[in-house]
Amino acid sequence: DQQVKQNSPSLSVQEGRISILNCDYTNSMFDYFLWYKKYPAEGPTFLISISSIKDKNEDGRFTVFLNKSAKHLSLHIVPSQPGDSAVYFCAASDYSGGSNYKLTFGKGTLLTVNP
Amino acid sequence: DTGVSQDPRHKITKRGQNVTFRCDPISEHNRLYWYRQTLGQGPEFLTYFQNEAQLEKSRLLSDRFSAERPKGSFSTLEIQRTEQGDSAMYLCATGGLAHKNYNEQFFGPGTRLTVL
Repeated sequence: DQQVKQNSPSLSVQEGRISILNCDYTNSMFDYFLWYKKYPAEGPTFLISISSIKDKNEDGRFTVFLNKSAKHLSLHIVPSQPGDSAVYFCAASDYSGGSNYKLTFGKGTLLTVNP
Repeated sequence: DTGVSQDPRHKITKRGQNVTFRCDPISEHNRLYWYRQTLGQGPEFLTYFQNEAQLEKSRLLSDRFSAERPKGSFSTLEIQRTEQGDSAMYLCATGGLAHKNYNEQFFGPGTRLTVL
């Protein structure tokens, strides 16, 4: 049972344009969401996060939007740069159930930014 | 470098052999996690330590797997009698009470295991 879903395995955008990566979740107990970026042969690198009490969080070129009623979040990258090309993972955690902050990940979306 | 480190980065072994991986966390982090990532999948949780106590284990962690974190510092993950299905990237992540965001985890570079 996939509790965090990233339905687009890949996305290709032109440099300077907006990249929008989507993520859906099914577990209503999730209360914190994170985006990680991963290059080949490296571990995931934390990018940006959002608490369930907010609907938007912005950090430079990266903005995450959360729609709790739809159980949907998205990561916007503006403007996209070739160095942003990587696999992006959506992750969620639930502390209320005593889950020790473990992360549940989606399968990832490969973003390619073309010069 | 004060990040999470893992050793070895790559391990090739024959089926039936035992392997052990090591993770050195960021020094002030008391929480330590092991995840496993297979091709085309996101990382999947294996086990969690708070200081030296192993507080949670996933159903994915069969009895051939054992993890330790003596003295609440580095951690080891051992796989006994390896099987081809154990081939994966094994990731260590840490987090700390003192960090500004308790939910964030910082990942090491991973150990890629290949079982022949």
